[in-house]
Amino acid sequence: QSVLTQPPSASGTPGQRVTISCSGNRSNIGSNDVDWYQQLPGTAPKLLIYTNNQRPSGVPDRFSGSKSGTSASLVISGLQSEDEADYYCASWDDRAYGVFFGGGTKLTVL
Amino acid sequence: EVQLVESGGGLVQPGGSLRLSCAASGFTFSSYWMNWVRQAPGKGLEWVANIKQDGSEIYYVDSVKGRFTISRDSAKNSVYLQMHSLRAEDTAVYYCARGYYYGSPGDYWGQGTLVTVSS
Repeated sequence: QSVLTQPPSASGTPGQRVTISCSGNRSNIGSNDVDWYQQLPGTAPKLLIYTNNQRPSGVPDRFSGSKSGTSASLVISGLQSEDEADYYCASWDDRAYGVFFGGGTKLTVL
Repeated sequence: EVQLVESGGGLVQPGGSLRLSCAASGFTFSSYWMNWVRQAPGKGLEWVANIKQDGSEIYYVDSVKGRFTISRDSAKNSVYLQMHSLRAEDTAVYYCARGYYYGSPGDYWGQGTLVTVSS
């Protein structure tokens, strides 16, 4: 059972908009920033969104992040086949004194 | 170009020890937190430990406290993970990652090194 809760799966067709949620509590998302990671099959994770809504250089603007209260969301607009991957949220927890990941969401492009 | 290269993984018996290394290049090593994150086969990501720029703050996930030790050497631009009393559940790919602050698992990641704990 992960400290941060994500749906195990999500899907969409090319061009669609998909939202992946990440739910926490006051000691993690409610008090700290959220990062999002994309992991393509057989590769290391890649930072997609940092500090809730910032995109590193090179990440397409189809990817956006937001945070409200104790939840965060990753939105992928204009879904493409190469977006098929696992997506993870992460945040610091003030009570556990550690970084926690969500369980991951497997995105399928139909 | 930021590069993180892990080494030291392998097969070890339960109860054994292993030391992982991560060589960093392409950035000012002494300016960043460093993390270890692992991923068991077919499972999700799990943060293991991190260490502040000067080594004055260190944090661990509960499951490795007392068994794993993270350290860094700025002269060698390297971060290490000493692992003792290894268990089957420690079997995973271990990634080294650069953290832009204490709460971030990493903005750059290495390719990972596989640790297998089995008799």
